[in-house]
Formats: sequence, C-alpha cells, structure tokens
Amino acid sequence: GQQVMQIPQYQHVQEGEDFTTYCNSSTTLSNIQWYKQRPGGHPVFLIQLVKSGEVKKQKRLTFQFGEAKKNSSLHITATQTTDVGTYFCVGPTSGTYKYIFGTGTRLKVLA
Amino acid sequence: DAGVIQSPRHEVTEMGQEVTLRCKPISGHDYLFWYRQTMMRGLELLIYFNNNVPIDDSGMPEDRFSAKMPNASFSTLKIQPSEPRDSAVYFCASSFEGPGGESYEQYFGPGTRLTVT
Repeated sequence: GQQVMQIPQYQHVQEGEDFTTYCNSSTTLSNIQWYKQRPGGHPVFLIQLVKSGEVKKQKRLTFQFGEAKKNSSLHITATQTTDVGTYFCVGPTSGTYKYIFGTGTRLKVLA
Repeated sequence: DAGVIQSPRHEVTEMGQEVTLRCKPISGHDYLFWYRQTMMRGLELLIYFNNNVPIDDSGMPEDRFSAKMPNASFSTLKIQPSEPRDSAVYFCASSFEGPGGESYEQYFGPGTRLTVT
C-alpha cells in the first residue's frame, strides 16, 4: 500500500538555526498537506500544496512540492522555541479521501 | 463554531470492557475521519465517512472495532471487547469537499486518550 516516509525522525536544533524535513511518497500525490502537532496536542493544518513544483511561504516556513509530486519539504528559517512539535506531511491515496500520514519529524528547539 | 468535539477526553478501562468514543464534527463538514495515534505506529486512519456513509474502513484493526455515523453531527467508535494493545490516542477529524471536488484541510478534535489495563 501507499507509504509516506519522512526524514529525519528527530531533529534537535539551537534556537536561531534552520530546520528542514523531507517527505517522500511511494506513489504520486494529487496534493500534499502539512500539519503540526504540539506535544500533548492535536494535529493542526499548516498548508496544502497542489501543483507540481509549487512553493509556498508562511512567514519563516517554506513549503515545496516536488516536480514529480512524490516528495515535499518544509523548511523553517531561524527556528524559535514556538516551533517545537512534530511535523507531518499527509497525502491522499489517489482518487480518494483516504489520507496517509507521514511518519513525522519531531523538532526540539534548544533555547 | 466550537470546532470538532470529542468525548471523553480520557478513558481508563479494564480489558474486556466495551469502550465508546464520541465525536461531533464541525457543522457543514461532509467528511469525518477516525485516527489512532501510538508511538509505535504513528497516526493511522481507521475509517472515514462521507455524508454519514462509511467509505473506507480498511484501517480498522479487527472486528472488535466498529464505527457509526447516525447523522451529520455525531459519530461513535466502539471497541468491544477492549484489549491493552488498544491503548492509544484516538482522534476524530472533519473536513469538507469543494464544489469542484477539491479537498480541504482536516480539523482535528482534541482526542481521547484511552488506557486499557
């Protein structure tokens, strides 16, 4: 079945350093969504990418969808302690609303 | 809107007991999802509904799990009998479909932390 892998699994950074997580799907995705889950919280939607090669920015966060629509990345510039949490990419199985969550990247930011 | 509402927030039960988790989606949303989150398996989609109809339940672990959506504002996930390996956080999420069939974000509830002893 469809698999969505993320690397790295964990990342510890000093506050102010940059951070990137990568997402790879075993199948082509019609779109990809990114969510953030704070410790003890629930996933919260960040963004959706639909077009091949699409790049979107939200303040210090930059999201990219690969040309082949099988991979994506999230880059955070100058991390802050508020960025702490687990970041998930999510892709739907083709033609359905069956969303497959990636394995997640847990980010810790050291002050 | 109050967002997706789940109850109870915490549930502790003994092995063999029946457990019922409840969810109220956001009004107007036509998709409802049930997820389970554990350290070992991450976030897994168990089942999802569209307009109260179950569309895909291939993620339901086994026959001990069942889910219903009797109307647009209520859904239940039932485990009978419960086992210690069912201990997890169960999330309900809702979403809607655009006029052109485009998908939109899922709104998650706060989750139910289930502990089966």
